[in-house]
Amino acid sequence: KNEVEQSPQNLTAQEGEFITINCSYSVGISALHWLQQHPGGGIVSLFMLSSGKKKHGRLIATINIQEKHSSLHITASHPRDSAVYICAGPNSGGGADGLTFGKGTHLIIQP
Amino acid sequence: NAGVTQTPKFQVLKTGQSMTLQCAQDMNHNSMYWYRQDPGMGLRLIYYSASEGTTDKGEVPNGYNVSRLNKREFSLRLESAAPSQTSVYFCASSEGRGYYEQYFGPGTRLTVT
Repeated sequence: KNEVEQSPQNLTAQEGEFITINCSYSVGISALHWLQQHPGGGIVSLFMLSSGKKKHGRLIATINIQEKHSSLHITASHPRDSAVYICAGPNSGGGADGLTFGKGTHLIIQP
Repeated sequence: NAGVTQTPKFQVLKTGQSMTLQCAQDMNHNSMYWYRQDPGMGLRLIYYSASEGTTDKGEVPNGYNVSRLNKREFSLRLESAAPSQTSVYFCASSEGRGYYEQYFGPGTRLTVT
């Protein structure tokens, strides 16, 4: 079973700061998911990546398959980025049976 | 497209009562999942259905049953609710098995007293 660890658990920063959230996993996989959970509870998928880097607006996700590590970066952070960010990998390497989730990083961006 | 819908949004049950959580998706996805989210635990997989007509246990299946009614609908049943089942339940779907993005419903907040 894949074990997914995230750090930090909580992060408070000032508007405009560069944010980094880290994720490591135990079972070799070919793709990792980054999700965002809004204060209201809804969960949306931000990225699914299998190598290198993906960028969407001010969000950048990177993955190093050999080191079993991924990072989510937010540039020019804004209070509306305040949310819980969750990384997830397949329960098994093949990914056929759902996801294993990290416990999430609770991010607060202060004006 | 509505995406993934769940009903009800909130529910309070007494210990021993039963209920069914409904989930439907309109994206023609093959795979569907039920997760529960508890404080400090992260999301955990209860059951999944890789395709219509198949269901399999996840990490925490005890006390639950599921039915993949058709390609669109995947329900979760609590036969005899217990306080330990107080949680937020999320349904999700994906195009197929393996490395596909998952789409989540809005969640059902269940309290068992």
